[in-house]
Amino acid sequence: NAGVTQTPKFQVLKTGQSMTLQCAQDMNHEYMSWYRQDPGMGLRLIHYSVGAGITDQGEVPNGYNVSRSTTEDFPLRLLSAAPSQTSVYFCASSYSAGELFFGSGTQLSVL
Amino acid sequence: TQLLEQSPQFLSIQEGENLTVYCNSSSVFSSLQWYRQEPGEGPVLLVTVVTGGEVKKLKRLTFQFGDARKDSSLHITAAQPGDTGLYLCAGARGNDMRFGAGTRLTVKP
Repeated sequence: NAGVTQTPKFQVLKTGQSMTLQCAQDMNHEYMSWYRQDPGMGLRLIHYSVGAGITDQGEVPNGYNVSRSTTEDFPLRLLSAAPSQTSVYFCASSYSAGELFFGSGTQLSVL
Repeated sequence: TQLLEQSPQFLSIQEGENLTVYCNSSSVFSSLQWYRQEPGEGPVLLVTVVTGGEVKKLKRLTFQFGDARKDSSLHITAAQPGDTGLYLCAGARGNDMRFGAGTRLTVKP
């Protein structure tokens, strides 16, 4: 049982480039979410989804897009990367908001 | 300003000592979770508390939810080096999950 799978593990971008962080879960969870983790800031919610076709903004949504076409997948898109988006990104899933299962993270550097 | 304030931010103790970590907020939460995170990994759920005043024990770890469901504490008895890690509290308000900044615990042998 793979749980929550994130790819890539590491990524380096130049300012202005776009990319998609992939997240897939095999637990049939309806709730999925994206967080960024910065030193001293804890985990901050970017976007979340309560089911296929339904997404909503979290605490820090600017510069990020999401979509949820299937229950399993919840990709996070950076439209035009900025140095302020350098961070570690975590995808998480659960049956409902609360007891989250996390992926192992993507370390992103924007130069 | 964090919605959930954790204290202390850093804690370094000797093996065998006891410790308490606090998670405080001015908001009421429908549930509160504690997670532990190790370097290079995602957080792993330790416990969920739902009812005001609830106390849960997990081996040497004791978790308490405040009566007003705004705060929580984590107490570790006889800490061991394997307890080293970043401890995060998180609160759910509907579908919006918020995390504290964490307490980084180091237990020295």
